[in-house]
Amino acid sequence: DTGVSQDPRHKITKRGQNVTFRCDPISEHNRLYWYRQTLGQGPEFLTYFQNEAQLEKSRLLSDRFSAERPKGSFSTLEIQRTEQGDSAMYLCASSLMARGAPYEQYFGPGTRLTVT
Amino acid sequence: AQSVTQLDSHVSVSEGTPVLLRCNYSSSYSPSLFWYVQHPNKGLQLLLKYTSAATLVKGINGFEAEFKKSETSFHLTKPSAHMSDAAEYFCVVPLDMRFGAGTRLTVKP
Repeated sequence: DTGVSQDPRHKITKRGQNVTFRCDPISEHNRLYWYRQTLGQGPEFLTYFQNEAQLEKSRLLSDRFSAERPKGSFSTLEIQRTEQGDSAMYLCASSLMARGAPYEQYFGPGTRLTVT
Repeated sequence: AQSVTQLDSHVSVSEGTPVLLRCNYSSSYSPSLFWYVQHPNKGLQLLLKYTSAATLVKGINGFEAEFKKSETSFHLTKPSAHMSDAAEYFCVVPLDMRFGAGTRLTVKP
């Protein structure tokens, strides 16, 4: 399988619990992105990595959110003390960035989080 | 920072008629621009991309878009809509990872 994969596909959690999502990018891609998408809205950028370095975080990303990409391969996104407002689809994408050119992002199927 | 504005949140066309989905960008220079499509319960897929080469860009499924610097636009078109085109379409500035709000395309039989 050469696509972007995400695990789990669905997560239901109670308010206040911590959750962690995993993303496995396309193997040769050096960039990895996390987005959040709510119903009827476009994907909202959260953060991205180039190799293992986290280069940018959205101001919308509260301190309860943390992301890692320890070996420059897979990434995890953790949400601590979840709130109902965190309910959304969390999308991961990867791309190849070379010579400053923006190559297309390949998206995974997403993890749908429901906070009850 | 660059940004995009998708001028219509919803477009409805009849099958076999032309499709026009509008996107304007704001930038002090010519940006790269992409269009993505998201079918219900499916992942986002790249339709086409403009990266400062030819201003008329052809994509998958018969879609194309024309970059017009004078109008700061990158509208998506298709000559004849098909039922399978019903989806959400997003105009994107890839360098800033910014998506437009999306345009929902409905195709009536």
